[in-house]
Amino acid sequence: AAGVIQSPRHLIKEKRETATLKCYPIPRHDTVYWYQQGPGQDPQFLISFYEKMQSDKGSIPDRFSAQQFSDYHSELNMSSLELGDSALYFCASSPQRTPHRTDTQYFGPGTRLTVL
Amino acid sequence: GNSVTQMEGPVTLSEEAFLTINCTYTATGYPSLFWYVQYPGEGLQLLLKATKADDKGSNKGFEATYRKETTSFHLEKGSVQVSDSAVYFCALTPSGGYQKVTFGIGTKLQVIP
Repeated sequence: AAGVIQSPRHLIKEKRETATLKCYPIPRHDTVYWYQQGPGQDPQFLISFYEKMQSDKGSIPDRFSAQQFSDYHSELNMSSLELGDSALYFCASSPQRTPHRTDTQYFGPGTRLTVL
Repeated sequence: GNSVTQMEGPVTLSEEAFLTINCTYTATGYPSLFWYVQYPGEGLQLLLKATKADDKGSNKGFEATYRKETTSFHLEKGSVQVSDSAVYFCALTPSGGYQKVTFGIGTKLQVIP
């Protein structure tokens, strides 16, 4: 079965550089979520999109922005990178909303960002 | 707000031992409850879920029952294998759905031969 695809899988950047992470949801999933997992920590919610509109916002720094495109893929843009941004970034998607909806979130493999 | 409390690890067991990882939650209404597993160096995989009281989720020999009266969702497996070594996260999404997942801190399980 198709899964959530994230690219790149690994990314190394210098401080103050920018990074763009991409997420391709499972087909027929229209809601995308982004999470950040620091070393030894649980994932923390950053932001979500439904039908290309921001649906919820968590602890996302102002230096980060994200959007969802017409094909439902999403991109997380990170600027002025700091050492503390080094983490595993997960994207998750959930299925289209129907009367018998299930909001289960399926996670991608993550992008490991290292800021030097 | 919503929260998930799970036992801190690491938990070290011998192969074929019985596993219990405790999880309790705080949320209004009827949240959906999940267990996710993260193998070393990998992403999060959905292990099992339950969406209403008394539901039992099960997968790969793991089970958890949604207990509304005790607000618990304990993970159990009758006989663990070395390949079960991973970090296990208890999690919830609120009633109404399509909202962020709130995770517990994760419990690291190490199974030794």
